[in-house]
Amino acid sequence: EAQVTQNPRYLITVTGKKLTVTCSQNMNHEYMSWYRQDPGLGLRQIYYSMNVEVTDKGDVPEGYKVSRKEKRNFPLILESPSPNQTSLYFCASSLLPGGGRNEQYFGPGTRLTVT
Amino acid sequence: AQSVAQPEDQVNVAEGNPLTVKCTYSVSGNPYLFWYVQYPNRGLQFLLKYITGDNLVKGSYGFEAEFNKSQTSFHLKKPSALVSDSALYFCAVSLTGRRALTFGSGTRLQVQP
Repeated sequence: EAQVTQNPRYLITVTGKKLTVTCSQNMNHEYMSWYRQDPGLGLRQIYYSMNVEVTDKGDVPEGYKVSRKEKRNFPLILESPSPNQTSLYFCASSLLPGGGRNEQYFGPGTRLTVT
Repeated sequence: AQSVAQPEDQVNVAEGNPLTVKCTYSVSGNPYLFWYVQYPNRGLQFLLKYITGDNLVKGSYGFEAEFNKSQTSFHLKKPSALVSDSALYFCAVSLTGRRALTFGSGTRLQVQP
């Protein structure tokens, strides 16, 4: 089954404790992206990747890192989480040109709480 | 900069009645327009898109949307609502050649039996 998977689905952590949210897709998509969803704000792009070893900032990249060492994986790293990063996070993938004419496929989401 | 507005936080409709979820956009160029739906505790699912051509686009689950360039709108419609259509709906826009997809704030659709 074609899908985007994320782990963990739920995470509660404390300020400053480094964490990684994994994302994997099995559709051989070049484009992958991370979004955060906050009430009343819709989805905002954090980082995206056009292919292996090619990443770029989205609209809200501060406090986040990403890497793309393999085509199927695109982990999101929070080196020192803060309470304002409490949010619902989605990973997405698509064929190129991502964000252009091709629809994106979304993972199930990761609900992160930072206390 | 590109932007999307969904003017209604919530739309209530009775089952069997037609529904409309509104979306307007602002871009400096030719847009690609999308509708996604989010069910509780699920990720977003693609419903339909406008790329070029016919202004009336048909998508999944009986939904359709009309692209209106003069009014910069892309309203989502369905002739007869189902209770199972109750969900959060997002409109999104991107520009030709741009990588980023910009989402609206979402509209919650409640269909009452």
